[in-house]
Amino acid sequence: GAGVSQSPRYKVAKRGQDVALRCDPISGHVSLFWYQQALGQGPEFLTYFQNEAQLDKSGLPSDRFFAERPEGSVSTLKIQRTQQEDSAVYLCASSLGWEQYFGPGTRLTVT
Amino acid sequence: GQQLNQSPQSMFIQEGEDVSMNCTSSSIFNTWLWYKQDPGEGPVLLIALYKAGELTSNGRLTAQFGITRKDSFLNISASIPSDVGIYFCAGPHRGNAGNMLTFGGGTRLMVKP
Repeated sequence: GAGVSQSPRYKVAKRGQDVALRCDPISGHVSLFWYQQALGQGPEFLTYFQNEAQLDKSGLPSDRFFAERPEGSVSTLKIQRTQQEDSAVYLCASSLGWEQYFGPGTRLTVT
Repeated sequence: GQQLNQSPQSMFIQEGEDVSMNCTSSSIFNTWLWYKQDPGEGPVLLIALYKAGELTSNGRLTAQFGITRKDSFLNISASIPSDVGIYFCAGPHRGNAGNMLTFGGGTRLMVKP
């Protein structure tokens, strides 16, 4: 496909469960970003990859959050021992330059 | 950290009217991006601005990069129902590496048919 895809689109997890969110960036895009968007707010930066290297993870809210991009293409955001405050939409974006292109997001609800 | 303030936070518009919204920052940005987000979808890039004073159009949308580089404006002419959504301004800033975006809080546009 031409755009960024994410799966699953919706995820309901019980508190304490681990979740894995997948992002397929636009083919050839070197840079990949993860953002967290709380209800009614703008997206907030979590982490950044250039190819397979995670160059910035300053936005990850806790050590329960982990991201990887082992082959420089698909990326996975993993959240361990989910908490209610993790409920949000998780957006992935890819870019070649300044302009970032977003996927549809994964809405995570922790009950 | 850097913050972007958008106003108004929300607005109702009669179909056919023009819309104006703006975004201000306490610090300078060298690029401004405007996105639109529909319910249940990710933000879609509308316009990118790269030069202070630049005025760029995309159909009925026109955006300007403020001279001070601390603000930007988005105008929508002759609004239609499909303009409903949340409009975000965003500015890339260099962190440890790469150009992560800082987003404003959004302007929610609601159109009366």
